[in-house]
Amino acid sequence: SYVLTQAPSVSVAPGQTARITCGGNKIGYKNVHWYQQKPGQAPILVVYDDRDRPSGIPERFSGSNSGNTATLTITSVEAGDEADYYCQLWDGHSDLSWVFGGGTKLTVL
Amino acid sequence: QVQLQESGPGVVKPSQTLSLTCTVSGASTSSGSFYWSWIRQPAGQGLEWIGRIYSTGTTNYNPSLESRLTLSLDTSKNQFSLNLNSVTAADTAVYYCARGPMEHFDYWGRGTLVTVSS
Repeated sequence: SYVLTQAPSVSVAPGQTARITCGGNKIGYKNVHWYQQKPGQAPILVVYDDRDRPSGIPERFSGSNSGNTATLTITSVEAGDEADYYCQLWDGHSDLSWVFGGGTKLTVL
Repeated sequence: QVQLQESGPGVVKPSQTLSLTCTVSGASTSSGSFYWSWIRQPAGQGLEWIGRIYSTGTTNYNPSLESRLTLSLDTSKNQFSLNLNSVTAADTAVYYCARGPMEHFDYWGRGTLVTVSS
């Protein structure tokens, strides 16, 4: 099955920019989706199809995808952005078609 | 506003069957626009897709669970369900139901903790 690789943790100061990456073989050819999960809560979709935002998600959240890396960028980071972030994609060529990355813990210093 | 709510026993004995139901409001499970999925998360770990069902009853399962898994749909009650048999401690997790178009999941339930223990 397709493997998505995320760094376990990222730390950033308030007001700075956080970049959370998701690595995979030729991931740029696939649509990547991102979820935010705060402790004790269900995940929420923050970016879909590489760069689109659901209604209600701030413009501070953006996505990009090229080559072997997809990136979730959060500008002007706030304390409330501290959470686990998961990338996910659909791989129609795989037995396990819906795959999640291992997650990245974003810490706001 | 689309809402999903999981329900079912919080504790299941080893070797028995884990059964959960997801009740949907604000959307119709008979609509052909979306798929209805189950996803789980063991404590302190990441997310694992379990399976999904379409309005026609067509299912897709995680290959690692397929031999033990059955998903079903009751459009009259606007619910879908999960049955996972022969459970072990490794099946202990928070189970989420979710809705989505083909590739991702746009609405999630709050999740329900299922513990496999005698």
